[in-house]
This record gives sequence, C-alpha cells and structure tokens, in this order.
Amino acid sequence: QSVLTQPPSVSAAPGQKVTISCSGSSSNIGKNYVSWYHQLPGTAPKLLIYDNDKRPSGIPDRFSGSKSGTSATLGIAGLQTGDEADYYCATWDSSLTAGVFGGGTKLTVL
Amino acid sequence: QVQLQESGPGLVKPSETLSLTCSVSGGSVTNYYWGWIRQSPGKGLEWIGNSYYSGGTKYNPSLKSRVTVSVDTSKNQFSLKLNSVTAADTAVYYCVRHVGRWGFDYWGRGTLVTVSS
Repeated sequence: QSVLTQPPSVSAAPGQKVTISCSGSSSNIGKNYVSWYHQLPGTAPKLLIYDNDKRPSGIPDRFSGSKSGTSATLGIAGLQTGDEADYYCATWDSSLTAGVFGGGTKLTVL
Repeated sequence: QVQLQESGPGLVKPSETLSLTCSVSGGSVTNYYWGWIRQSPGKGLEWIGNSYYSGGTKYNPSLKSRVTVSVDTSKNQFSLKLNSVTAADTAVYYCVRHVGRWGFDYWGRGTLVTVSS
C-alpha cells in the first residue's frame, strides 16, 4: 500500500489529453513539493516534472504539473504512442521523514 | 551531460552487506544531494536515502538502522551500504541526483542485486 495513491491505469487516444492524479495527505503533498516520472519497461525512470510544475530542460511543454491541497496532477497533451509507460509521483513525507512514491499508473495510448 | 553508473556485486548472501558505488561523470558531485532508490521486481519505487556532497544524510526509517549513504568528492562518486540483507532487499538499485526542492533529474541505468545463498 503506497503512501501516495494513483489510479492503476489510464488510457486515451493519440492526440488527446490525459491527466494522472496523485492523492496524498497534509504531511506529504499538502506541505511539500511533488515530482513526476515516467518509466519504460527495463529502463530507469525519467524526470518529467519537479517542484510541482517545473519541467527539466528537454521535456516538452506537452507535460504539465499542478498541485492543489493534498493532490497533484500530471497532464499530458497531444498523446503519442511513445508516451505509453508507467508514471509515478513522488514527494517528501514530513511525518514519515522519508521520500515516498505513488504506486504507479500505466498509461495506454489506444 | 551528467551520467551516473552503478557498480557492485549482483549477488549478495543473506545477512551480509550490500555495497554499491555510483560513479558520476560529466559533472561534479559538489553542491548537490545524491541518493539511492530501489525497485523490487515488478513493484514500485522505494526511496532509500540521500547525502549532501559535504555530509548530512537522510534515510528511509524502514531501513535507517541498516543503511549508509556517503559521498567521496575526491573520486567524484557516492556509495550505498545496506547491512544484514534478506531476500526482501532483492531489487534494482538506482543512484540518482537531486534537483530543486524534490526531484531526481539524473538516474543511473540501475543494477539488479539479488540476495540469495
């Protein structure tokens, strides 16, 4: 059972927009910054968003992040088949004094 | 371009110590936090701990009594030691660089460590 809750799977058609939610609590998302990653099978996760809404260089603006209260959301616009991957959210939990991850969401581009 | 590369034994016996090193190329360890994350086969990601380049560490409380992360600025690398391992410690171990308030912008390719006799 992960500290952060993500939907197990989401799907959408190419070109559409999808959002992935990450629900936490006042001790983690509610007071700390969130980052997002995607992971292709057999590869290391790759940073998409950090500090809630910042994109590292090289990440297209199709990817966006937001946070409200104890939840965070990753948005992916203009879906491409290459976006099919597992997506994870992460943050610091001030009560656990540990970094925590969501359980992951598998994105299928139909 | 910063690159991270994990190295260390792929097989560790139960009750022994898992030791991994992460070599950093294309950049300096100075002025950054460096850490370790693991992923059990078919499972999600677990944060292990981190260290600032000049010292100061944070560890996952679930592992705290067994884990040490340290940075060697002279060799531009950092390391992970996990004592008294069991089969539950079998995982792919990733070394990472911290960015911003909370993010990991560079990852090693990961190394599978199996705990078995």
